[in-house]
Amino acid sequence: DTEVTQTPKHLVMGMTNKKSLKCEQHMGHRAMYWYKQKAKKPPELMFVYSYEKLSINESVPSRFSPECPNSSLLNLHLHALQPEDSALYLCASTPGAGDNSWGYTFGSGTRLTVV
Amino acid sequence: TQLLEQSPQFLSIQEGENLTVYCNSSSVFSSLQWYRQEPGEGPVLLVTVVTGGEVKKLKRLTFQFGDARKDSSLHITAAQPGDTGLYLCAGRNAGGTSYGKLTFGQGTILTVHP
Repeated sequence: DTEVTQTPKHLVMGMTNKKSLKCEQHMGHRAMYWYKQKAKKPPELMFVYSYEKLSINESVPSRFSPECPNSSLLNLHLHALQPEDSALYLCASTPGAGDNSWGYTFGSGTRLTVV
Repeated sequence: TQLLEQSPQFLSIQEGENLTVYCNSSSVFSSLQWYRQEPGEGPVLLVTVVTGGEVKKLKRLTFQFGDARKDSSLHITAAQPGDTGLYLCAGRNAGGTSYGKLTFGQGTILTVHP
């Protein structure tokens, strides 16, 4: 298995809703990432988990709450989002966080629309 | 903050033409990666360059890492419509508080017309 699987693929939610995005990989990777991407723009880092511990939070608003229940699973809990949070949310993984040569394996993303 | 400047931002060419995309920074990166992304999908890794001066070839694509590890280029020979997509360079930091972080350039949207 060489994939990062993200669900759901599309999500529409109201500003008062609570929803979660899920990311799963079975490659034995120990670092996992959440990125946010607006149309025709590069991905922007949100969170990095290394060995199931949060190692980087890029000053993300608290309405986004990450969780890493185990080494294969990464969640992003969403609450009270704003329309400007609408974007493609990408999950990625690497074998670890420190080796220069490791490329990221990205999932296909969740297209989130906040109404 | 390490920044990567990628150019050009947009490129529209005819099938068979050659093109080069540039990625420049004032900072040194421990490695430089190139990704290609199609609409509605995540970026897919094309190559990682680690050593200053390194050149890697992937079929019609040639990637180069500058001697000082501050810049990189992607050259495509005889472009095909299937090459159409968003090309992203990304520099990898190592050590310190940015451990594992990837800094992306602004991207190049390439359109190859038949």
